[in-house]
Amino acid sequence: DGGITQSPKYLFRKEGQNVTLSCEQNLNHDAMYWYRQDPGQGLRLIYYSQIVNDFQKGDIAEGYSVSREKKESFPLTVTSAQKNPTAFYLCASSTQWGGTEAFFGQGTRLTVV
Amino acid sequence: GENVEQHPSTLSVQEGDSAVIKCTYSDSASNYFPWYKQELGKRPQLIIDIRSNVGEKKDQRIAVTLNKTAKHFSLHITETQPEDSAVYFCAASTGQGNTPLVFGKGTRLSVIA
Repeated sequence: DGGITQSPKYLFRKEGQNVTLSCEQNLNHDAMYWYRQDPGQGLRLIYYSQIVNDFQKGDIAEGYSVSREKKESFPLTVTSAQKNPTAFYLCASSTQWGGTEAFFGQGTRLTVV
Repeated sequence: GENVEQHPSTLSVQEGDSAVIKCTYSDSASNYFPWYKQELGKRPQLIIDIRSNVGEKKDQRIAVTLNKTAKHFSLHITETQPEDSAVYFCAASTGQGNTPLVFGKGTRLSVIA
């Protein structure tokens, strides 16, 4: 099912705990992205990476961190500093920066209680 | 940075009628405009895209038009069917520099049988 995999599909965490969402792609894409989706808010960019060992903050990066140690992997950590972490998180990748189709993972629904 | 506005936020049409969703963008350097469809509980998937050197593009019942002067683009779905019911997102990108895909907030389309 596609070439970009997010895990897990559902995740529950207690307030104050850090949690890491996995994103792996086998499409040989250079660019990878993390978006957050809330009802009525569309897709808001958290972090993005154009190439291995490089990443940039998006519009809502506060309370999140990422790493890009391998081309295939772009994990997202939701830290305890994120004030409202409950959301649907989507990872995406594309062959090049911005101007080509982005392929999305199936998403991770994070619920913090 | 780029800002994409999308209207309407919800749209209901009778089966067989046409549906039109409109988006405006702010960055005149944007040159790539994709449309994504997201069915309930699933990942967004590209349904059609257009680049700035083209004014219109069609794919069966779906068409996209682009007006670069006015900085707006639209999605047209003809002969709507119940399976067209979904959330549709427009996006824009310059394809270069530090500008990833910027998404609109989405339109929830309901096709009533």
